[in-house]
Amino acid sequence: DAGVIQSPRHEVTEMGQEVTLRCKPISGHNSLFWYRQTMMRGLELLIYFNNNVPIDDSGMPEDRFSAKMPNASFSTLKIQPSEPRDSAVYFCASSSLQEEQYFGPGTRLTVT
Amino acid sequence: AQSVTQLDSQVPVFEEAPVELRCNYSSSVSVYLFWYVQYPNQGLQLLLKYLSGSTLVESINGFEAEFNKSQTSFHLRKPSVHISDTAEYFCAVSRYNQGGKLIFGQGTELSVKP
Repeated sequence: DAGVIQSPRHEVTEMGQEVTLRCKPISGHNSLFWYRQTMMRGLELLIYFNNNVPIDDSGMPEDRFSAKMPNASFSTLKIQPSEPRDSAVYFCASSSLQEEQYFGPGTRLTVT
Repeated sequence: AQSVTQLDSQVPVFEEAPVELRCNYSSSVSVYLFWYVQYPNQGLQLLLKYLSGSTLVESINGFEAEFNKSQTSFHLRKPSVHISDTAEYFCAVSRYNQGGKLIFGQGTELSVKP
C-alpha cells in the first residue's frame, strides 16, 4: 500500500483565500483523523471520522474550518477564508478499529 | 478525560549513551499506549504500542517501553543511542471504544551528539 497520501505537500496562499487540503487514507481503514501541528500548540486533533461519519469535531478552531469525507477513500479539510495564524503543518492519519494510526507526510500551509 | 504529560521537552545525549524519555498519563479507564517518532519534515511513525499482555514492549530498532499501571507511566528507553535516533518523540493514549482517537503529549526532542 502507498500509505496515507496528502496533497498538496506545500501550499502558500494569501490571507482571505480559500485553502483545500486533501487526504487519501489507507485502503480498508475505517477511521480518518485530521491534525494540525505548530511550534506553539504542538499536535492538535481537529476532527475525526469513523466510516465516513464525523464523530468529534470539537478541535476545529472556528467556523472557517470545515471537513468532509464523501467516501471511504477521500477527505478534504477546507479553510475559508484563511488567516496567517492558520499557518501550520496539517496531517491526515487513518486507522482500522483500535489499531495504530498511520500518518501522511503532511501539508505545510503558509498564509501570508 | 485523558491527558498525557511528557516531562522533558528536550533531551540532549551523546552517541552510545542510554536514554529515557518520560511519559505519564491520566485516565479513569483503561487505555492503549503508543510512542510515535517524527523525523524532521516527516509525518509521525509508530515506534511501539501497548494494547494488552506483557507490560514490556519493544521496537525493531532497539527502543523499549514499559507500561506501569500503578505509576500511570509509559517511559521509553534505549540502552545505546545512535545519531540517527535524533528526532521528536510523542507519547499518546487512546481509550477503549473511542474509535481510535489519540491524545498526544507535547513531544520530547531527542538530540544525539557525536
